Amino acid sequence: SAVISQKPSRDICQRGTSLTIQCQVDSQVTMMFWYRQQPGQSLTLIATANQGSEATYESGFVIDKFPISRPNLTFSTLTVSNMSPEDSSIYLCSVEFLAEAGELFFGEGSRLTVL
Amino acid sequence: LAKTTQPISMDSYEGQEVNITCSHNNIATNDYITWYQQFPSQGPRFIIQGYKTKVTNEVASLFIPADRKSSTLSLPRVSLSDTAVYYCLVGDTRRDDKIIFGKGTRLHILP
Repeated sequence: SAVISQKPSRDICQRGTSLTIQCQVDSQVTMMFWYRQQPGQSLTLIATANQGSEATYESGFVIDKFPISRPNLTFSTLTVSNMSPEDSSIYLCSVEFLAEAGELFFGEGSRLTVL
Repeated sequence: LAKTTQPISMDSYEGQEVNITCSHNNIATNDYITWYQQFPSQGPRFIIQGYKTKVTNEVASLFIPADRKSSTLSLPRVSLSDTAVYYCLVGDTRRDDKIIFGKGTRLHILP
């Protein structure tokens, strides 16, 4: 298992601004992912955060809007750029260990409200 | 990635056994079946994973028929705290499949 810390846990942002969400894991992990969950909806995969290289984005998500960094095996950031009210959502960091493939561990999420 | 279909919502009563069935008709040979539970304001939590027949842990049982085109998550003697959304996922991350969530089943336990 893992302890996954996300910051901020929640924030209220102004339209047009950008916010960076941090995800810190207490042990080295193989895979790190970023998901978005809009109110009452399921989770949507934004991208896979690759260590030392560009993230792999899912259809409908682009690097200019959601730049992602992963400088090492325990840390990643997701930036939501030029925010609009449609970006109001919960953003979740998740990790997977090689030894436990198929089992994801999630952070508590970052709830963003864009005014 | 195999698509999954599960009921949108279910109600049950405390102390009952709850069975949630998931259909995955185009499951691939190497795919595993995994179930997650999500409480409000929390990230999903892994419940159980299986490949065939039956898997049981301290939380639930997972029944998978021989053709593997469906699976059933069984929660014994549910309590109010089991009210949550339950997601069925199919894939094989051992070959770099991404974990894609479907719509899930919203389970509501009544007193």
